[in-house]
Amino acid sequence: EPEVTQTPSHQVTQMGQEVILRCVPISNHLYFYWYRQILGQKVEFLVSFYNNEISEKSEIFDDQFSVERPDGSNFTLKIRSTKLEDSAMYFCASSETFGQGGYGYTFGSGTRLTVV
Amino acid sequence: ELKVEQNPLFLSMQEGKNYTIYCNYSTTSDRLYWYRQDPGKSLESLFVLLSNGAVKQEGRLMASLDTKARLSTLHITAAVHDLSATYFCAVDLSYNTDKLIFGTGTRLQVFP
Repeated sequence: EPEVTQTPSHQVTQMGQEVILRCVPISNHLYFYWYRQILGQKVEFLVSFYNNEISEKSEIFDDQFSVERPDGSNFTLKIRSTKLEDSAMYFCASSETFGQGGYGYTFGSGTRLTVV
Repeated sequence: ELKVEQNPLFLSMQEGKNYTIYCNYSTTSDRLYWYRQDPGKSLESLFVLLSNGAVKQEGRLMASLDTKARLSTLHITAAVHDLSATYFCAVDLSYNTDKLIFGTGTRLQVFP
């Protein structure tokens, strides 16, 4: 069964450093998402991405965050200057079509980001 | 703003018992999803409920959706230890967006 692959599985970084979280969506999927989950809390939407553009973003997704699809296979989330409160599990997801909502989602295994 | 609330937040139950987790949401939506999450792991899709009155069952879990009441339930029958996990419901607004709004989660612990 096709999978969404995320790397690394765990990243530790110092406050103020830049991090890039990587995701390889399912190959025929066109819509990409990032969600985050602070430890013990609910999962929160960050951003959706289609056709090389952000289609929607949440209030959490401020100027410190950016996304791109640099090479047609990877989908990345960059945090420019990490803060302690960015420590969370970050999930990538992809879907084949728009309009199916969560019905079409496949979530990746997540990257645990720890900012120290 | 769409809010999705679950209760209880934490549920400790004995093996063999039945219980129901509730998911309430604050605005109109026809699509609701249940996910399971084991500690430190990803989100496993359990059920997709796409219309009012939808009921789905898989093993000891059964989910239902009442869009008029804006309520979904996840019923656990004769719980076993393997069901111990955190369960999330999630809703999407069904128009012009595919983002999911997740509930607060219910941490289920099943003990012998």
